[in-house]
Amino acid sequence: KAGVTQTPRYLIKTRGQQVTLSCSPISGHRSVSWYQQTPGQGLQFLFEYFSETQRNKGNFPGRFSGRQFSNSRSEMNVSTLELGDSALYLCASSSPPGSVTDTQYFGPGTRLTVL
Amino acid sequence: AQSVTQPDIHITVSEGASLELRCNYSYGATPYLFWYVQSPGQGLQLLLKYFSGDTLVQGIKGFEAEFKRSQSSFNLRKPSVHWSDAAEYFCAVFYNNNDMRFGAGTRLTVKP
Repeated sequence: KAGVTQTPRYLIKTRGQQVTLSCSPISGHRSVSWYQQTPGQGLQFLFEYFSETQRNKGNFPGRFSGRQFSNSRSEMNVSTLELGDSALYLCASSSPPGSVTDTQYFGPGTRLTVL
Repeated sequence: AQSVTQPDIHITVSEGASLELRCNYSYGATPYLFWYVQSPGQGLQLLLKYFSGDTLVQGIKGFEAEFKRSQSSFNLRKPSVHWSDAAEYFCAVFYNNNDMRFGAGTRLTVKP
């Protein structure tokens, strides 16, 4: 069974641009959650989607948004990029019944660098 | 304010020795509690979690954790550490307001 895949793996953007990251969950998983990891702030929870609905949300500004498609694939968007958005963005999918509190499997992450 | 504290930034233990990593959280009710491990080759991986019931939780790789309500703690333990356990360990708490917080992490070094 294929694991969680994230694309792209590496990305370089400049301040003010926007970026879209993609996450494909393990087949059969309906919950996808997103996390940001930086040296300064550590690991932070962004949001969780289940069956195309945002179910949980961390404390991030509105520039960070996401969505989930009917095939459970999820995208995360960051608009008006700031230097502080440089981070490793991780996504995880959860085994059925599907919740951020269920057993999660993480992808390798997307390393975003904002110049 | 909701917070998760891992008091030890870095711990070094000898291979074969026992390990305990500390985690404290601030919250009135009982939250959901997790331990994750992150290593360069394996990425981030869930070790174990606690929701309710038996306060001693068994996880993967021989790890266990004990929830102590009176101390607001959820410490991770392993009786005998292996060199492959060298990694960064994160404690996390999922609160009833649907937010999730992580500790700053404890880096484990294993001496041969």
